[in-house]
Parts: sequence; C-alpha cells; structure tokens
Amino acid sequence: DAGITQSPRYKITETGRQVTLMCHQTWSHSYMFWYRQDLGHGLRLIYYSAAADITDKGEVPDGYVVSRSKTENFPLTLESATRSQTSVYFCAIRTGTSGGATDTQYFGPGTRLTVL
Amino acid sequence: GQQVMQIPQYQHVQEGEDFTTYCNSSTTLSNIQWYKQRPGGHPVFLIQLVKSGEVKKQKRLTFQFGEAKKNSSLHITATQTTDVGTYFCRQAAGNKLTFGGGTRVLVKP
Repeated sequence: DAGITQSPRYKITETGRQVTLMCHQTWSHSYMFWYRQDLGHGLRLIYYSAAADITDKGEVPDGYVVSRSKTENFPLTLESATRSQTSVYFCAIRTGTSGGATDTQYFGPGTRLTVL
Repeated sequence: GQQVMQIPQYQHVQEGEDFTTYCNSSTTLSNIQWYKQRPGGHPVFLIQLVKSGEVKKQKRLTFQFGEAKKNSSLHITATQTTDVGTYFCRQAAGNKLTFGGGTRVLVKP
C-alpha cells in the first residue's frame, strides 16, 4: 500500500557492515512490525513496536536493532551484517489501536538485502 | 509457542482445476486471517474468519474455519494464472501474530 514505504528497495552490502533499513507510514497506526522472508521459512517476525519508544522482540531478533522515536518511522539496523541475514525484509503496520486479534496487517513493498 | 502449519508447501495446479490448501493449529484459534503474496510482491490481506464453522467466499475462493477453530482451508475453483502466488494464514494471540509457512501455488497453463 502507498501508505507504507520502505527504503532502500534493494541493498547489497558486505559482511560486517552496518545497514539500516527504513520504514515509514503515512498513517499513525500504533503497531509496526519487521519480518524477514526466506524460502522455506515463510514470514518470521524480527521485532515489533506497539507505540513510539515501545519495542519488543519477535521470533528472530538476534543481530538486529530497532528504534521508534516517532510513530511514523520504524528503522531496522543490522549492526554487523552476516550472510545469513540475506533476505527480503518487510515492514508492516497493524490496524486498530488495542492490539486486538482481529486487526489486519498492511505490508510495505519490501527491501531485498544481499550480504556478500 | 503457538504455531500454524500450512499444507501443502507447494501446489502445482493445472489451469481450470480446483485445489485446496490447509492451515492447521494444535490449539484453538480466536480467528484466522488469509493473505496472498504475488511473486515479487508483498502479502496482501484477503479475509478473516472468526466464528466456528464460518464459510466466506470471494469469487472463486472459498475460505472455511473449522468447527473446533483449530484449522482453516482455502479452496480455489477453476484456477487461473492470476491465482499464482503464495497464500499465508495468520493467527493472533494477543500481540503475538504468527504466519504459517505458506502454500506456494504454481499454475500450469
């Protein structure tokens, strides 16, 4: 959806470098998420945020750092990139404010990251 | 943690044929959502099922929630090339949202 943008869309980096993937929403939804998608593993949650300055780990948080100083932005940083972090990264928001189970998710277009 | 398993992982379908993909959980689900991801694209919300035994249709797609709310199915009739993609189910338990591994659908013309 046009309301969620990710940058860059494609990134090639080298092992050991720091990389930051950006996610921006034009709405003001409270919940934002970072997923990685690899063949055979579906979508795996890295981190999520329930509001500005509130973040929590997901299923595969190791090697990643997030911050959320503003509601609309949720950057994901790979502090020292490894080849195993080569993946497609999706940012998503969740509709609703109470974190209800019926909230739906909207995904950004994704960032394809290659670590050499 | 709570997981949902999707089968099959891959589905090769002849154009015009029907097929079904399944989403199974070992625990009772409060609801189930289905998403579709086209090749090279991002997941897009399709539908949500909440009630036991609920059936919803979207054109050629029929979604069903099991009576025990532990499984769900997506049935596509008269498959078309536009159905190509990966279909994910998603369950929610509070803040914990879990996607199944997806069924990747390939259509043979």
